[in-house]
Amino acid sequence: AQSVTQLGSHVSVSEGALVLLRCNYSSSVPPYLFWYVQYPNQGLQLLLKYTTGATLVKGINGFEAEFKKSETSFHLTKPSAHMSDAAEYFCAVLSKDFNKFYFGSGTKLNVKP
Amino acid sequence: DAGVIQSPRHEVTEMGQEVTLRCKPISGHNSLFWYRQTMMRGLELLIYFNNNVPIDDSGMPEDRFSAKMPNASFSTLKIQPSEPRDSAVYFCASSDRQGAYEQYFGPGTRLTVT
Repeated sequence: AQSVTQLGSHVSVSEGALVLLRCNYSSSVPPYLFWYVQYPNQGLQLLLKYTTGATLVKGINGFEAEFKKSETSFHLTKPSAHMSDAAEYFCAVLSKDFNKFYFGSGTKLNVKP
Repeated sequence: DAGVIQSPRHEVTEMGQEVTLRCKPISGHNSLFWYRQTMMRGLELLIYFNNNVPIDDSGMPEDRFSAKMPNASFSTLKIQPSEPRDSAVYFCASSDRQGAYEQYFGPGTRLTVT
């Protein structure tokens, strides 16, 4: 069965610092992996996705993630945090029948001035 | 495209009342999902439809919850009778299973049951 683990329910960084949000997955098949962002009082918005091909995936707002099969990881990074990045981030894996997502529990990112 | 549309955006009701949440998916999308989000339980999948047919409703918490999708452009989630523990934000999402499967979320309905 597929599942996703996000390490750290809260992460705090200073503006301009590196952002690293961790996601590990469990999947019995080659995974389709996604990162979503949720700003306060809004729905989830797709940041980036990995399906096949290049393992380093670039998304919106300067975020990127690297699929590492050997580590079963799909960590999200951004070189320099901006105040507007403060939000909750969710990692997700698509079920093997392609019917639904398994979401992680989310990581709230706080950006300090 | 207008994206996924949900109504109402906010709903306040008294315990015991019937609540109906509405969703219009993105045109052309053939899968629709209902989620509930709370601080305690996070994001939970309640039910999803493929081509208007309910596929998996194992996430529906109780018989008080029901969902329908009478056509490709409309779905409802009904709670009858409502209870205070149903207070949450309910999201609808849609996806194109012929594409890359990413889900597009609506803005949510914040339900408060007093």
